[in-house]
Amino acid sequence: QQQVKQSPQSLIVQKGGISIINCAYENTAFDYFPWYQQFPGKGPALLIAIRPDVSEKKEGRFTISFNKSAKQFSLHIMDSQPGDSATYFCAASANTGNQFYFGTGTSLTVIP
Amino acid sequence: ETGVTQTPRHLVMGMTNKKSLKCEQHLGHNAMYWYKQSAKKPLELMFVYNFKEQTENNSVPSRFSPECPNSSHLFLHLHTLQPEDSALYLCASRGARVNTEAFFGQGTRLTVV
Repeated sequence: QQQVKQSPQSLIVQKGGISIINCAYENTAFDYFPWYQQFPGKGPALLIAIRPDVSEKKEGRFTISFNKSAKQFSLHIMDSQPGDSATYFCAASANTGNQFYFGTGTSLTVIP
Repeated sequence: ETGVTQTPRHLVMGMTNKKSLKCEQHLGHNAMYWYKQSAKKPLELMFVYNFKEQTENNSVPSRFSPECPNSSHLFLHLHTLQPEDSALYLCASRGARVNTEAFFGQGTRLTVV
């Protein structure tokens, strides 16, 4: 059973546009929601993370929006750049364990 | 560099071979993970170790055998693998405080022939 559902599977955005990736979860015990960015040949690296006590977190061009009641969270990349082309994974974990559940990933291509 | 080092970066092995993947971290983290990443599939959690004790084994076939001799090192021993085991194997580590980020190594690209 997929603990974290992610969409879309792939995304193509024009340079300067907004990229939006969505994730949903079922387990209400989850209380940490990071987003990871992965370039080819590299391991995933933390991009930004949020805890459910806030509805939005912004770091530079990257924003996480969190809707606790809907059990959904999303990543918004403003002013998307070709260098943002990568695979993005959402994840979730619960305070009680060491498990990290990942979404299926979104391949983002930003065209110049 | 994330502080998590995996060796080798690439490995080609026959189905009858025995090989081991190594992961090393000197971040002072207590939790270490093995993930399998196949094309068009989510990151699959294989094993979790916390303070050298295995806390999770997600129904992984016995041809994969993990070993965690200390908090800084994690191994994945491989034997009699199948071609469908070809994938990127990622190691990650995480600190003692809950809900902190996991740091990933660069992965070992495994090809089983």
